[in-house]
Amino acid sequence: ILNVEQSPQSLHVQEGDSTNFTCSFPSSNFYALHWYRWETAKSPEALFVMTLNGDEKKKGRISATLNTKEGYSYLYIKGSQPEDSATYLCAFILGYGGSQGNLIFGKGTKLSVKP
Amino acid sequence: DVKVTQSSRYLVKRTGEKVFLECVQDMDHENMFWYRQDPGLGLRLIYFSYDVKMKEKGDIPEGYSVSREKKERFSLILESASTNQTSMYLCASSLAGIVYEQYFGPGTRLTVT
Repeated sequence: ILNVEQSPQSLHVQEGDSTNFTCSFPSSNFYALHWYRWETAKSPEALFVMTLNGDEKKKGRISATLNTKEGYSYLYIKGSQPEDSATYLCAFILGYGGSQGNLIFGKGTKLSVKP
Repeated sequence: DVKVTQSSRYLVKRTGEKVFLECVQDMDHENMFWYRQDPGLGLRLIYFSYDVKMKEKGDIPEGYSVSREKKERFSLILESASTNQTSMYLCASSLAGIVYEQYFGPGTRLTVT
């Protein structure tokens, strides 16, 4: 059974704090990793799709890094704002050669940012 | 903007009823997916489709079937609803290929009594 582990499960920070979360996944047969943000009462929204070892992606104050050899990705939020409050999901795709790989989701990290 | 819509936000059905959840996307995406979200668990894939009339089982297909007669529409069918199918159901779509981000609908919270 393939597992994607996210830590911490939840995080409470003050506005202005910088924070980071971890996504761990099996390092063999890696194909791609997705990050999504899911705000309460909204749809999950894609942040990044990462495929290459050493990839770094950035969108505004949010950035992510990828280490496929050791099987982890970090998501960083610089200067957290209340609107960053959401559950952050990572999802791993196993490259087993089929044309359609399933996304295997972690349980998410729930971030709460207090004003 | 990509839009994925689902037929209902909230649905209450009785045990044994046949339930249809509809999903429509407007971006001509080849791939469509059905997930369920339960407390303490990650999103789990029920079924996906990579073309009209094509379907593949995901991780938890038991008790469900799907239909994709048109490219933009993907239906999830609960043949005989049971209480353990009470859950949040999310539909998603993406371009062909597995590296493309998925676009999600707002979800349908289904309660089976």
